[in-house]
Formats: sequence, structure tokens, C-alpha cells
Amino acid sequence: NAGVTQTPKFRILKIGQSMTLQCTQDMNHNYMYWYRQDPGMGLKLIYYSVGAGITDKGEVPNGYNVSRSTTEDFPLRLELAAPSQTSVYFCASSLGDFPLAFFGQGTRLTVV
Amino acid sequence: AQKITQTQPGMFVQEKEAVTLDCTYDTSDPSYGLFWYKQPSSGEMIFLIYQGSYDQQNATEGRYSLNFQKARKSANLVISASQLGDSAMYFCAMREAGATNKLIFGTGTLLAVQP
Repeated sequence: NAGVTQTPKFRILKIGQSMTLQCTQDMNHNYMYWYRQDPGMGLKLIYYSVGAGITDKGEVPNGYNVSRSTTEDFPLRLELAAPSQTSVYFCASSLGDFPLAFFGQGTRLTVV
Repeated sequence: AQKITQTQPGMFVQEKEAVTLDCTYDTSDPSYGLFWYKQPSSGEMIFLIYQGSYDQQNATEGRYSLNFQKARKSANLVISASQLGDSAMYFCAMREAGATNKLIFGTGTLLAVQP
């Protein structure tokens, strides 16, 4: 049982480059989330989705985009990477009727 | 606005002793949920324990218990019989109001268990 899988685990980007962080879950969870964790801080919500075709902004959405074409996948797109986007990114999922979120292993992104 | 506060940036505890990690929260929603997650140095987020606002009893999961004091808006994590493997960052989180299960996190407490 894989749970929530994120790829890649590590990435270095140059300023202005773009990339997509992949997230897939095999638990048939309808809710999915992207959080970022800055050094020494808690997690902050970037975007979330309550089902295929439905996405919404979280607390820190600027510089990111998401899509949810299937229940399983929730990719996060970074356009024009900036040093401020250096962070650890976590994807998570949960069932609508129970609030427990399962997290992926995280992606450590450095923008230089 | 909803908020989670963890006032202990770091703590030490001796192996085999109990330790309490503090968490206070602020919400005007009568229905909410509180979580504790552990983040070891490897970086993953590990769910430890959950307390619903309407739960009558404090949650327990093995060596973890949640000291839920609703009137004081606190949800402290108690780890009994600390082990070296408990050394990690611990985050308190609250489910936001609404039906989306979004989480608000505190800034975390770094726990170091000493032999």
C-alpha cells in the first residue's frame, strides 16, 4: 500500500525555471492538499482540492498552480521559480468524512 | 481567525521519563479537530494522535496521550516513558472550520531525548 507518493524527492532549480511536483495517492481519497514548510516553521497550505476538477487557494498560493484531473493525482506547478520558493513541499490526502491527513515523504526544493 | 500556538521551541527529556509538549489553539467554531504529528530528521510527517472537539475522553495511542482542556483551549501531548527514537520535531495542528479538512499548523517543538 503506497499511500501518498511524491516525486521528485530533491530538486535544485535556477531562478526563472519552471517545474512540476508530482503527487499521487492510491487510497481513493477525495481531498488533496499541498503544503510548504519553510526552515524552522510549521506547514502552510498552498492549494487544496475536494475532488477531481475542483481546486482552491490556500494561505500561500502565489507563484503556484495546481490541477486535479483525476482522483489520484494532484500536481503542483511552479512557474518562474524564485529563491523565496526554496522550501520542503508536502502533498497530503484525506477522506471527506474523516479529517486525518496522510502525508507524502516531501520534496526538498532549492532555488538558486 | 483560527490559530495554533506552540510556545516551546525546544525541549530536553531524559530517557524513560515523561514529557509534555504544549499546544494552545484559538477558534470560534464549535466543531474542530486537533492533531499531533511527529517529524523525525528524515523529514516525513507521522500522525500520532487525534482529538475531536466533541470527544468526551482524552485521546490515547500507546505511549501518547492528549491532555485536552477545552475551556483553556489547550491540547498538550504527553509522551510517557520517552525513548531515544522520540527525538524529533512535533507539530500540533487543527482542522480548519468547514468541510475541507484543511490543517493549520503550529511552529513545532523540537524534542531531544537524552540517554
